[in-house]
Amino acid sequence: EVQLVESGGGVVRPGGSLRLSCAASGFTFDDYGMSWVRQAPGKGLEWVSGINWNGVSKGYADSVRGRFTISRDNAKNSLHLQMDSLRAEDTAFYHCVRGSYSGHDPSNWFDPWGQGTLVTVSS
Amino acid sequence: QSVLTQPPSVSGAPGQRVTISCTGSSSNIGTGYDVHWYQQLPGTAPKLLIYDNSNRPSGVPDRFSGSKSGTSASLAITGLQAEDEADYYCQSYDSTLSVYVFGTGTKVTVL
Repeated sequence: EVQLVESGGGVVRPGGSLRLSCAASGFTFDDYGMSWVRQAPGKGLEWVSGINWNGVSKGYADSVRGRFTISRDNAKNSLHLQMDSLRAEDTAFYHCVRGSYSGHDPSNWFDPWGQGTLVTVSS
Repeated sequence: QSVLTQPPSVSGAPGQRVTISCTGSSSNIGTGYDVHWYQQLPGTAPKLLIYDNSNRPSGVPDRFSGSKSGTSASLAITGLQAEDEADYYCQSYDSTLSVYVFGTGTKVTVL
């Protein structure tokens, strides 16, 4: 069974940092690009960042560029999101998602989705 | 703010047909990028419902269908069932922003 399990969420003060992780299983991890998608409570979906199969190509939403860093460890089947200079507006559930292709392809769809880990930025 | 616009809500009686529109622009759907749809049941993570405009993943009932034309796409649900009550999101890619974009989301209510 293909599975994505996120961890690392929590409560952090504005300006603080968190590192999210996603453990992947049930598929050949380095055959796929991966992304993070977030959803503020009661709000819609926002793509945050994506990475290709070998970690060379990365993309970010304007709202997080320069503050968040995506990475992957293919040997450990894991995806990470280093989140620095956190703001209140970063409060959301962060979902780890598998892309349909190995690269940062415009045609990518996302399947499956992890259940998400909640990040709360509050003083 | 989302660049793909959906109606906030649609509703229908059991057995009826409802449609959800997803309106984009020349920098996303109008460029030819594919549209995908997700269903989010209450309290759960989104699930892929339609990919590449009109294809259903294994396990998705054929009551769900998708189409695309010009700068818009649509999701249709025929034979509406109580279990279809959920939020639905479209997704594509925007060449100006160089990001994947989601629709504003539509809540489907079964009367």
